[in-house]
Amino acid sequence: GESVGLHLPTLSVQEGDNSIINCAYSNSASDYFIWYKQESGKGPQFIIDIRSNMDKRQGQRVTVLLNKTVKHLSLQIAATQPGDSAVYFCAEGGLNYQLIWGAGTKLIIKP
Amino acid sequence: DTAVSQTPKYLVTQMGNDKSIKCEQNLGHDTMYWYKQDSKKFLKIMFSYNNKELIINETVPNRFSPKSPDKAHLNLHINSLELGDSAVYFCASSQGGSSVQTQYFGPGTRLTVL
Repeated sequence: GESVGLHLPTLSVQEGDNSIINCAYSNSASDYFIWYKQESGKGPQFIIDIRSNMDKRQGQRVTVLLNKTVKHLSLQIAATQPGDSAVYFCAEGGLNYQLIWGAGTKLIIKP
Repeated sequence: DTAVSQTPKYLVTQMGNDKSIKCEQNLGHDTMYWYKQDSKKFLKIMFSYNNKELIINETVPNRFSPKSPDKAHLNLHINSLELGDSAVYFCASSQGGSSVQTQYFGPGTRLTVL
């Protein structure tokens, strides 16, 4: 079946360093990809998205990279802060207008 | 102003009971969703409604019944609650349309079945 997966379930990063969270997807027909951040006790919050006609998109301290050749998506967070601690989900736009969700990566910030 | 709201935030109940979770969005979106998140944080779509009509109905026990009185509300009723129903349930909404759109999530309802 179609799936979106993450390479690392937990990522520890030193405060101030850059974080890179990776995601693999399997449906080459997907044309929409999105990253969400879920803080403890809260619902997932939209961070950034990208359509398949782009390779890179930047937001405030975040960058999403899309490599369609190897079906890989990554989220880069610059100058990681304590408030970035959360579980990060990637999702792809699948059939029937659904989002197919990855398993999530927990980002831990070390002081 | 809260964009997507859910009530209650916490729900503790006994096995066999019937309970409802309510969701409202004030974003003017056409599409609403219910997700279940298990203890490992995996998000699973349960239902989706577009303009009060059911468009996604994943493999969910028929004890779960969504109801959409209008496009701003999508409630979830659960009959004969079981231990395995314990999870966090999230409501979400999106603009709808001809392609996948960004979904906006509520704060979640943590259901504990004893």
